[in-house]
Amino acid sequence: EADIYQTPRYLVIGTGKKITLECSQTMGHDKMYWYQQDPGMELHLIHYSYGVNSTEKGDLSSESTVSRIRTEHFPLTLESARPSHTSQYLCASSEYAGSGGIYDEQFFGPGTRLTVL
Amino acid sequence: GNSVTQMEGPVTLSEEAFLTINCTYTATGYPSLFWYVQYPGEGLQLLLKATKADDKGSNKGFEATYRKETTSFHLEKGSVQVSDSAVYFCALTPNAGNMLTFGGGTRLMVKP
Repeated sequence: EADIYQTPRYLVIGTGKKITLECSQTMGHDKMYWYQQDPGMELHLIHYSYGVNSTEKGDLSSESTVSRIRTEHFPLTLESARPSHTSQYLCASSEYAGSGGIYDEQFFGPGTRLTVL
Repeated sequence: GNSVTQMEGPVTLSEEAFLTINCTYTATGYPSLFWYVQYPGEGLQLLLKATKADDKGSNKGFEATYRKETTSFHLEKGSVQVSDSAVYFCALTPNAGNMLTFGGGTRLMVKP
């Protein structure tokens, strides 16, 4: 079954630790995204990728970094976690739908809720 | 730039009540419009979409019509259930590229 996975679902960690949030999709989608969702529910795009070896920063500045070595895998890393990084992180992917640079709708993973103490 | 404005919540309804969640947008050209739903503790799921003016998207009893003249995409359901309690996001993507612009989300609470 084609799907998009995120691990861990919940993570509580101390300040200064390095963490990696995993995101994998089995749909063969070219484009992948990371969103940060604040407690007020608003979604902010922090990173996206058009494909392997492509990474771009989104609308919201983030101290996190991403990599795209394989099509199906788009991990997000925080080198030194801080309490201000506490949030819900959502990964998504979409497929190129054809000519004109149009992509199909985005499919979202279940999210990782990160708490930094 | 592109923007999406949706009514602030929470919206609290009794079971079987009629639901409307307003959504208006600002965009150049002819964007595609979406409604996503987020159930507690989960990611977003696409609820319905419309890709051109006057299209009606529908799914699970929900529907929304793409109104270019009023730049609106209001979500409606004739009879809500407790299981519809969730956060609903209106979103758009321009006719080229796929950078979703989300509204701020509307929390719906349905009481038995």
